[in-house]
Amino acid sequence: DTGVSQDPRHKITKRGQNVTFRCDPISEHNRLYWYRQTLGQGPEFLTYFQNEAQLEKSRLLSDRFSAERPKGSFSTLEIQRTEQGDSAMYLCASSLGTAVSEAFFGQGTRLTVV
Amino acid sequence: AQSVTQLGSHVSVSEGALVLLRCNYSSSVPPYLFWYVQYPNQGLQLLLKYTTGATLVKGINGFEAEFKKSETSFHLTKPSAHMSDAAEYFCAVSGGKSDSWGKLQFGAGTQVVVTP
Repeated sequence: DTGVSQDPRHKITKRGQNVTFRCDPISEHNRLYWYRQTLGQGPEFLTYFQNEAQLEKSRLLSDRFSAERPKGSFSTLEIQRTEQGDSAMYLCASSLGTAVSEAFFGQGTRLTVV
Repeated sequence: AQSVTQLGSHVSVSEGALVLLRCNYSSSVPPYLFWYVQYPNQGLQLLLKYTTGATLVKGINGFEAEFKKSETSFHLTKPSAHMSDAAEYFCAVSGGKSDSWGKLQFGAGTQVVVTP
């Protein structure tokens, strides 16, 4: 068990470009979550998956954002036509999906849109 | 709907002094409550959690928290601060229903500074 891995750790992109982030959860975890954290704030929920099914999306997730979890393993989060307001830390977490199971977080991907 | 309020965005404590971080929540269902710690440019690490049972919860690194339903609070304490406790601390709540398990609503965080 190597924990939750996120790639890349840092991404700088020009406004209008598309970016994709990857999250590899802990292997036996069936739930996977994406959060966004801006400077000085707590993480905000974006979306989550139960296996390969995307069960909930926050209103924060505009049409420019899409997330997938093919085969219920790793997940990708894509942002199209990036805007400066998308600059944030994107955190991925996974859990066993039971009432008392802990959500384990990755180290995050810091996105800077210039 | 659920929400979390952390009182004080910054707390400064002397090494060896009591650490007290305040968290109040609102929830329409019995809450599950968590405290996470975040070091610079890192993800979040769970310190402790309350789900059911004993209301005084002990966590890692000497931290503990007490769930007080009547006060809708879940304050975090540590008797004696270490320099290594300098970090940002987040209180979080999730609902008691299966579709809410693991989906966390976070407070804005409290930055802890430890002075020698």
